Amino acid sequence: AQSVTQLDSHVSVSEGTPVLLRCNYSSSYSPSLFWYVQHPNKGLQLLLKYTSAATLVKGINGFEAEFKKSETSFHLTKPSAHMSDAAEYFCVVSLTGGGNKLTFGTGTQLKVEL
Amino acid sequence: EAGVAQSPRYKIIEKRQSVAFWCNPISGHATLYWYQQILGQGPKLLIQFQNNGVVDDSQLPKDRFSAERLKGVDSTLKIQPAKLEDSAVYLCASSLEPGDANEQFFGPGTRLTVL
Repeated sequence: AQSVTQLDSHVSVSEGTPVLLRCNYSSSYSPSLFWYVQHPNKGLQLLLKYTSAATLVKGINGFEAEFKKSETSFHLTKPSAHMSDAAEYFCVVSLTGGGNKLTFGTGTQLKVEL
Repeated sequence: EAGVAQSPRYKIIEKRQSVAFWCNPISGHATLYWYQQILGQGPKLLIQFQNNGVVDDSQLPKDRFSAERLKGVDSTLKIQPAKLEDSAVYLCASSLEPGDANEQFFGPGTRLTVL
């Protein structure tokens, strides 16, 4: 079985400060890991994905995530938050060889304040 | 490139009534997914189609939910009869192929409220 745990349901940062959204995964085999973002009244959008290549993955809008097997983590970071980053973020795991079946975390709501 | 289209965007029904949602995936995408997202939770896969065949429907409550993709393009998800706990956002997604880590593109969803 595979699962992800998002450690914070809400994160609040000031504009221009770093963002850290935490995610731990559980998977018996080599997982693929993703971060999706969901803005209000919009569809989920892929930010980045890890598929057993480079452990540091760069995504859109300045986000990046590092796969750490020893810590079973895949935390999402951004050096400087922008107001437009306010949204809900989902960490997602897919089992390699599992036919692209995605298992979502419960989400982290990111708030960006002036 | 047009995205995944879903309709209606909102639906309010009484319990025990029936409801249907429609999805049109991105042109050329062979794989189509329906997800249920309950408030405060992440989306949960209900059913996955490859062309017009079902790949995975293990999480679909088959006593009341049904889905079809007859011509391998657009798809319909039906609930009959609806229960209060079916209140959720129903998301449709598509991908070019079913292979691992192929990006899934999501539609805006249909928000269902069951009273």
